[in-house]
Order: sequence, then structure tokens, then C-alpha cells
Amino acid sequence: NAGVTQTPKFRVLKTGQSMTLLCAQDMNHEYMYWYRQDPGMGLRLIHYSVGEGTTAKGEVPDGYNVSRLKKQNFLLGLESAAPSQTSVYFCASTDRANYGYTFGSGTRLTVV
Amino acid sequence: DQQVKQNSPSLSVQEGRISILNCDYTNSMFDYFLWYKKYPAEGPTFLISISSIKDKNEDGRFTVFLNKSAKHLSLHIVPSQPGDSAVYFCAAITSGTYKYIFGTGTRLKVLA
Repeated sequence: NAGVTQTPKFRVLKTGQSMTLLCAQDMNHEYMYWYRQDPGMGLRLIHYSVGEGTTAKGEVPDGYNVSRLKKQNFLLGLESAAPSQTSVYFCASTDRANYGYTFGSGTRLTVV
Repeated sequence: DQQVKQNSPSLSVQEGRISILNCDYTNSMFDYFLWYKKYPAEGPTFLISISSIKDKNEDGRFTVFLNKSAKHLSLHIVPSQPGDSAVYFCAAITSGTYKYIFGTGTRLKVLA
């Protein structure tokens, strides 16, 4: 019972490089989310999806893109990484809009 | 515009005593609230929730209180145990918006 799996767990990027963070859930959840956690800022929503093929912007979407081509996967892309995107990224999913989320274990990204 | 605030970044409590973590919100449309607990290098895990139609919810050692008029909720942990040492996030949602807004977190340290 894997729950929510994030790949990779750690990554160091140079400024301007691109990368994709993968989130996979095996619980058949409709709703999926990408958050970033920064010191003193808590968890801030980047993008989210309410179902396969749908995406929407959260609080801090600039510099990121997402895709939900399959129900179980939610991809977060950085087209041109910037040092301000150094953060810990968490993916989450739920099967009911008001229900608690199941979170992945996070991806620690450093942009130098 | 921080809609959910946790004004105490950290809290230290002696083992066996009560821990009280506070959370304030500004959006009167929030109608469901959660508390999450996060250990280092792990994703947040759901702890306890409360609907806006209630003012208290209990689950074992954990109790959440909601004061809608003051737009304030609190998490009480009694008795506190060293294993409770973690970062605690409160989160709030308005039904139909599909996304939780998180606070900045409070780091609880329970001293043995």
C-alpha cells in the first residue's frame, strides 16, 4: 500500500535548468495537489487538479506548470529553475474535497 | 495575505503537561478545519478535523476547539509525550473550493 509516491526525493539544479517532479498515487483519488514548504511560510499551494485532465492555479503558480494526463499521476514542471524555487515540494491527494489529504514524503529541491 | 495564521513559531512543554497550539483565520467562509502533524523528512499526516457546525472534537489525547466568532481554533494535547514533538499545521477550507489553505506551522518540543 504505497499511498502517495514522489520522485525524486532530492535534486540539485543549476539556474535555468528544467525538471519534472512526479507524483503517483494508488488510492484512486480524484483530487491531487502540489504544495511547497518554505521556512516561516508554511505550506503554499502551487497547482491542483480536481480530476484527470484538469488543472488549476493555487497561491504561488508562477514558474511552474502541471499536467494530469492520468488519474494516478500529477506532474509538476519547472521550465527554467530559479534560486527562489529552492524548497521542499509536497504532493497530496484526497478522494473527497473536504477530506484530509494524504501527503507524499516530499522532494527537496535546491537551485544553485 | 495570510488567511490562516499560526503566530507561535515554536512551543516547548514538559512531558505529561498540556500542549496548546493556536491558529487564527480571517476568512469567515471557511467551514472545515484540519490539523496536521509533520516529522522531519516526512510528509504531513492528518491528525484531527472539525466542521464549522461544531465547537469541539476529541480523538484520544487530541482535542480541537473552534471559536467561530473569534475566528480561532486550538489544538490541545493532553498529556503531551516526547513523540508528539513535531511541526503542527492547521488548515482551512471553504466547501466547493477543493483546496485547503495552510498556516505557517508551530514546532512543538515535548521535553522528557
